[in-house]
Amino acid sequence: SYELTQPPSVSVSPGQTARITCSGDALPKQYAYWYQQKPGQAPVLVIYKDSERPSGIPERFSGSSSGTTVTLTISGVQAEDEADYYCQSADSSGTHVVFGGGTKLTVL
Amino acid sequence: EVQLVESGGGLVQPGGSLRLSCAASGFTFSSYWMSWVRQAPGKGLEWVANIKQDGSEKYYVDSVKGRFTISRDNAKNSLYLQMNSLRAEDTAVYYCARWTDSSGYNYWGQGTLVTVSS
Repeated sequence: SYELTQPPSVSVSPGQTARITCSGDALPKQYAYWYQQKPGQAPVLVIYKDSERPSGIPERFSGSSSGTTVTLTISGVQAEDEADYYCQSADSSGTHVVFGGGTKLTVL
Repeated sequence: EVQLVESGGGLVQPGGSLRLSCAASGFTFSSYWMSWVRQAPGKGLEWVANIKQDGSEKYYVDSVKGRFTISRDNAKNSLYLQMNSLRAEDTAVYYCARWTDSSGYNYWGQGTLVTVSS
C-alpha cells in the first residue's frame, strides 16, 4: 500500500526556521496537505494544495513541492507552534487517502 | 458556522459491533465528500473511509474493508460508520471530516472514542 514518509521529530529554537519533509512516489501527481495537531485536539489544516495557506493561518507557515518530496516550512518558529504535523495526500488513483506518520515539532 | 459532531463511541468487546454517527450543520452537506479518520492512542492519523456526495462511491483502507461500512443520509445531514467484527487494533478516536480537493480536510469533528476490549 502507498505510504508517505516523514521524520519522526524536528527540533528548533524559537525564531529559527523549521522544515518538515514528506516523501511519496505519487506526490508529483497528487496534491499534499498539511495538518497541525496539538494534544487532545482535532487536527487543523495549515497548508493545502502543496503551498496554499488557509485564511487565519499565520504567514510563517508555507509549503513547497519538488518531485517526490513536499516540505512544510515554519519561519520564525514560536512556542505555540510546538505540535505534531501530518502530511496527507492520495494514491496515484486518487481514491485512497493517506497520511504520513507525523512529525513532532519541539521548540527548544 | 460549520459543525461536525460525532457520537456513538464506547466500549465494545472484540468481535462486536458499533455504529458511529456524525451530525453536520452550517453547510450544504450533500455537496461534499465526507470521511472518517481515526487515531489510535499515542499514534498518528489514519484515514478509514470516504464517501462521495450522493453515496455512489465509497473507499476504505485495506484493514477495515469487509468489516466497516460508511454511509450517509443527506436528508438528515448525517454521516455514519457501521463497524463490525471489531478488533483491539480498531481502538481509536474516530473523527469525521469534510473533504474538498481545493482545501483538503478543512473541518473536523471533535472525535469519538472507540475502545475494543474484553
